[in-house]
Amino acid sequence: AQSVTQLDSHVSVSEGTPVLLRCNYSSSYSPSLFWYVQHPNKGLQLLLKYTSAATLVKGINGFEAEFKKSETSFHLTKPSAHMSDAAEYFCVVTLGGYSTLTFGKGTMLLVSP
Amino acid sequence: DTGVSQDPRHKITKRGQNVTFRCDPISEHNRLYWYRQTLGQGPEFLTYFQNEAQLEKSRLLSDRFSAERPKGSFSTLEIQRTEQGDSAMYLCASSQGTTPTDTQYFGPGTRLTVL
Repeated sequence: AQSVTQLDSHVSVSEGTPVLLRCNYSSSYSPSLFWYVQHPNKGLQLLLKYTSAATLVKGINGFEAEFKKSETSFHLTKPSAHMSDAAEYFCVVTLGGYSTLTFGKGTMLLVSP
Repeated sequence: DTGVSQDPRHKITKRGQNVTFRCDPISEHNRLYWYRQTLGQGPEFLTYFQNEAQLEKSRLLSDRFSAERPKGSFSTLEIQRTEQGDSAMYLCASSQGTTPTDTQYFGPGTRLTVL
């Protein structure tokens, strides 16, 4: 079985400060991991994905995530938050050979001026 | 590139009625997926097609739900005898490749409200 746990339902930051969104996964096999972002009234958009290559993955809009097998984590970070980053973020896992994505419950990122 | 489109964007229906949603994937994308998202939850997989073949269905997809992709292009999701518990956002996604790590591109969703 595969699952992801997003440790925070809401994260609030000030514009210009770092962002950390936490995700832990559970998987019996080597997983592929993703982060998706969902802005209001817009479709889910892929930020980045890990597929067993480099453990530090860079995505769009300055986001990056590090796969840590020993900690079963895949936390999303950004050095400096922008107002346009305010959205809901989903950590997602899939197993090799399976085509279904398992989503976490999401973390709402709030960015204040 | 028009992206994945879904129609309608919103649907309000009374309990017991049938509803049908349409998804138009990105042109030439082989795989098409349906998900359901309820308030406060992440999307949950329902089913997917490779071309016109429906290859997998989740246990969430009860007998009242049926999906088709007759010509390997657009897809429809029908819910018969709707229940209040069916109220959710129904998302469609498509991907070009046939592996789990191929990027899925999502549509804006159809929000269903069952009264």
